[in-house]
Amino acid sequence: AQSVTQPDIHITVSEGASLELRCNYSYGATPYLFWYVQSPGQGLQLLLKYFSGDTLVQGIKGFEAEFKRSQSSFNLRKPSVHWSDAAEYFCAVGVRQAGTALIFGKGTTLSVSS
Amino acid sequence: DGGITQSPKYLFRKEGQNVTLSCEQNLNHDAMYWYRQDPGQGLRLIYYSQIVNDFQKGDIAEGYSVSREKKESFPLTVTSAQKNPTAFYLCASSRNFDSSYEQYFGPGTRLTVT
Repeated sequence: AQSVTQPDIHITVSEGASLELRCNYSYGATPYLFWYVQSPGQGLQLLLKYFSGDTLVQGIKGFEAEFKRSQSSFNLRKPSVHWSDAAEYFCAVGVRQAGTALIFGKGTTLSVSS
Repeated sequence: DGGITQSPKYLFRKEGQNVTLSCEQNLNHDAMYWYRQDPGQGLRLIYYSQIVNDFQKGDIAEGYSVSREKKESFPLTVTSAQKNPTAFYLCASSRNFDSSYEQYFGPGTRLTVT
């Protein structure tokens, strides 16, 4: 069965430092890949998505993610974190097969220290 | 502005009562979803609907019911059979039920049952 793993439950980063959030998936073929962000008590907002082509994807709010087929990973990065980036981040995987829903990871909570 | 609305934001009920959570979208999307979110659990799919008058159980449908009489609306009823209903509930929609399409989320409803 397809699965998504976000190995880090909670990460703390200093403001201005770089960030990398990890996401690994289990699926035989290249899936559709998404990163979402959720502020406390809010819904989820799409940051970026990967379907095919260039493996480095740019998203909103200065985020980017890199798809690495050999590692089955789709890690989210940001060169310089701002205090407003503190939130929960979810990786999601879509299977390339009709009639399937997205599979979400359990999320990584990002705290930003000053 | 197109989007998804969920009401109310906070809901309190006594144990043994059924309660209905509202979800409305004006994005002209065919597919709609209900998720439950608990701390550390990520998003778990309760029900989804691919098209009007059709819906399917997700991973944790027991104790919940839905209807899809209109394209814009997908209400969720939490019944007294749901053993632990206190949670944050998120509604989402996508252009159609295919994992190539990103899901758009509402702001959520926090349900507390005492």
